[in-house]
Amino acid sequence: DAGITQSPRHKVTETGTPVTLRCHQTENHRYMYWYRQDPGHGLRLIHYSYGVKDTDKGEVSDGYSVSRSKTEDFLLTLESATSSQTSVYFCAISDYRQDSYEQYFGPGTRLTVT
Amino acid sequence: GNSVTQMEGPVTLSEEAFLTINCTYTATGYPSLFWYVQYPGEGLQLLLKATKADDKGSNKGFEATYRKETTSFHLEKGSVQVSDSAVYFCALTNTGGFKTIFGAGTRLFVKA
Repeated sequence: DAGITQSPRHKVTETGTPVTLRCHQTENHRYMYWYRQDPGHGLRLIHYSYGVKDTDKGEVSDGYSVSRSKTEDFLLTLESATSSQTSVYFCAISDYRQDSYEQYFGPGTRLTVT
Repeated sequence: GNSVTQMEGPVTLSEEAFLTINCTYTATGYPSLFWYVQYPGEGLQLLLKATKADDKGSNKGFEATYRKETTSFHLEKGSVQVSDSAVYFCALTNTGGFKTIFGAGTRLFVKA
């Protein structure tokens, strides 16, 4: 299994509070991604990174920011959490291996905003 | 643009039945195609892949063939087990691209 950890694994927070989720990899992959998964919406890309300090928006980036100061860490911040951000968040990593960019996923963080 | 369409679920089968989950794609260039599987409470994991036309990916008894003429990558397994119950995602990355386009996922239930 690819070495990807996410922390925390579960979090309950109140509306309006800031929240930071952490993704840590030990695989030295160049690309990192944050997704959210919701019933009826599948997997949606929030932000991604293509190198240290190089990030870009995905399809559902409003209300989220990211930072990547080291190859191994990719942080997702909800500046002011809202109930619509209640979801399961997955981090993924990839690099060009064996002719393709296959992705490896972390175990997920279940976030509840009350 | 690039897109992936897969059959809606849930799909419910009895143990040892034959499984097919249809997947078609739209892409420019020569995409790589993937099937990912998500077991309850876990992240997605790669099940199999194919990187060029007519390639067959296979793993754990599952197979899929990259058909460029029909833009399809259907997942098959000859005899499913209860432990195959999961959500299956078809996906692609386009030529030179590192972002993955995922289908909506198909939930499979296998009854004993």
